[in-house]
Amino acid sequence: DQQVKQNSPSLSVQEGRISILNCDYTNSMFDYFLWYKKYPAEGPTFLISISSIKDKNEDGRFTVFLNKSAKHLSLHIVPSQPGDSAVYFCAAIITGNTGKLIFGQGTTLQVKP
Amino acid sequence: GAGVSQSPSNKVTEKGKDVELRCDPISGHTALYWYRQSLGQGLEFLIYFQGNSAPDKSGLPSDRFSAERTGGSVSTLTIQRTQQEDSAVYLCASSLERGYNEQFFGPGTRLTVL
Repeated sequence: DQQVKQNSPSLSVQEGRISILNCDYTNSMFDYFLWYKKYPAEGPTFLISISSIKDKNEDGRFTVFLNKSAKHLSLHIVPSQPGDSAVYFCAAIITGNTGKLIFGQGTTLQVKP
Repeated sequence: GAGVSQSPSNKVTEKGKDVELRCDPISGHTALYWYRQSLGQGLEFLIYFQGNSAPDKSGLPSDRFSAERTGGSVSTLTIQRTQQEDSAVYLCASSLERGYNEQFFGPGTRLTVL
């Protein structure tokens, strides 16, 4: 049972344009969501997060949107840069639980110069 | 070191052998997690340690997998009688405390079972 899904395995955008990565979840108990970025041969690094009581969180070029009714979140990167090319993982947590992250399968973003 | 470290970085073993993977969390972090990433898959939770509490072992795929955390710091993940399906990247993460705090990941151990 895949509780967190990233249905697009890959995404390619031109440098300077917007990248939109999507994530869907099924468990309504999730109350905190995170995005991680992963380069080859490295561990994932935290990018941005959002609490379920919010619908938007912005940090520089990165913005995460949460639509609770649709159980959907998205990560926007504007403007996209070649250094953003990586695998992006969406993750969800039930904060009253152990704090274990439930990850999606990841989306590989390629930003072309 | 400043970050989470894991050793070895790569491990190749024969089917049926036992392996031990090590994780050194960030100093002061009380929560420690093990995940694994199989080829083409997302990260899968394995086990969680928080201070002196009983670990959450709900993600361990079989009784061949075990883990311990000594002195609230270093953790070892042991896989007994390895199988080819155990081949994956095993990632360790730590955080200041349980909950939604950002988890810091190590570089992982790539395990290949021949």
